Amino acid sequence: GENVEQHPSTLSVQEGDSAVIKCTYSDSASNYFPWYKQELGKRPQLIIDIRSNVGEKKDQRIAVTLNKTAKHFSLHITETQPEDSAVYFCAASRSGGSNYKLTFGKGTLLTVNP
Amino acid sequence: EPEVTQTPSHQVTQMGQEVILRCVPISNHLYFYWYRQILGQKVEFLVSFYNNEISEKSEIFDDQFSVERPDGSNFTLKIRSTKLEDSAMYFCATLSSGGPGTEAFFGQGTRLTVV
Repeated sequence: GENVEQHPSTLSVQEGDSAVIKCTYSDSASNYFPWYKQELGKRPQLIIDIRSNVGEKKDQRIAVTLNKTAKHFSLHITETQPEDSAVYFCAASRSGGSNYKLTFGKGTLLTVNP
Repeated sequence: EPEVTQTPSHQVTQMGQEVILRCVPISNHLYFYWYRQILGQKVEFLVSFYNNEISEKSEIFDDQFSVERPDGSNFTLKIRSTKLEDSAMYFCATLSSGGPGTEAFFGQGTRLTVV
């Protein structure tokens, strides 16, 4: 089955700096890669996603890149703000049959220091 | 904005007791999931449900677990005889039509505490 590795497990940056979180996946058939932000005690919230036919996607201060050959994808947050502090999870899934389950990475605790 | 609703938000139960966690999916969604998150750990897939049957289940989803959609609206997860290690946050998630790039909508979760 799919295995998603995520690094780093914790990341501390100064407000205004950029943050980068990296994930690798094992199943070459995976074709959908969402990123979730989770605040303490809350549900995972989708912040950006990318499909395998696209190499990069950007939404304001957030961008995601995908390298299918190397089977890795990254989240980039620019101009970080204290409210970006949360746990970020990458995930992977593939279409097929009647199941589109998500396999999650272990998460990155991002702390943005004012 | 439509959302997935879960009840209860928090349940405390004694070891060995049965619990039922409930989820009301978004109305036109067809694919239903339960995920589990032990405190401080990653979100783990438990089971997927489509067309009134289980489409896939993980190793975690043993004989103590079951799911059903009895009335066409609620989607339930039952744990027959809870163990201490079942303590976790349980998330229901639903998808509309499936396919790559279809967003999964998560409920707010049920925190299960087994004592």
